[in-house]
Amino acid sequence: GENVGLHLPTLSVQEGDNSIINCAYSNSASDYFIWYKQESGKGPQFIIDIRSNMDKRQGQRVTVLLNKTVKHLSLQIAATQPGDSAVYFCAVNAGNNRKLIWGLGTSLAVNP
Amino acid sequence: NAGVMQNPRHLVRRRGQEARLRCSPMKGHSHVYWYRQLPEEGLKFMVYLQKENIIDESGMPKERFSAEFPKEGPSILRIQQVVRGDSAAYFCASSPGGSNQPQHFGDGTRLSIL
Repeated sequence: GENVGLHLPTLSVQEGDNSIINCAYSNSASDYFIWYKQESGKGPQFIIDIRSNMDKRQGQRVTVLLNKTVKHLSLQIAATQPGDSAVYFCAVNAGNNRKLIWGLGTSLAVNP
Repeated sequence: NAGVMQNPRHLVRRRGQEARLRCSPMKGHSHVYWYRQLPEEGLKFMVYLQKENIIDESGMPKERFSAEFPKEGPSILRIQQVVRGDSAAYFCASSPGGSNQPQHFGDGTRLSIL
């Protein structure tokens, strides 16, 4: 079965610093990867995705890196702001199946 | 554009009652997914539906749980004879279809069983 895990359950950063959140997966057939942000009492909010034919993708202040060799992906947030405080989840598709397998989440706390 | 709409936001039931959770997907989306989330955990896949069809229900308990996505109207997740262990947040997501497209989520229904 699929295992998706995050390296750190909590991450505390200073406002303005860069944040890096990591995720490992186990299914080599997975070909689609998504990062979500979840604030308290709300549903997950899509941040950025990447397909397996890429190893890097950039959005506004966010970058996702994918290393298929070691089955690892990361989310980098530039110039972290207090509004970035939330729980961040990586989600991985289970091969050809559209269902998503979710990691446990990393809680990001931004200190002013 | 309205996002994914779930109702009710909070639902309280006594053990043995039935719970019905509703989900209206984003406009133009024909694929619906239901997930369950316990506190401090990630989401667990339950079921994936297209209009009038269940595509994958591998994450849904075989007993007491059912889901539908009729031709008209919202998708319904139904839990019969609820037990305390059913207490959780239930999230619905939708996508337009096609492979490898992001799923967009509603704000969930928080189910509490007394």
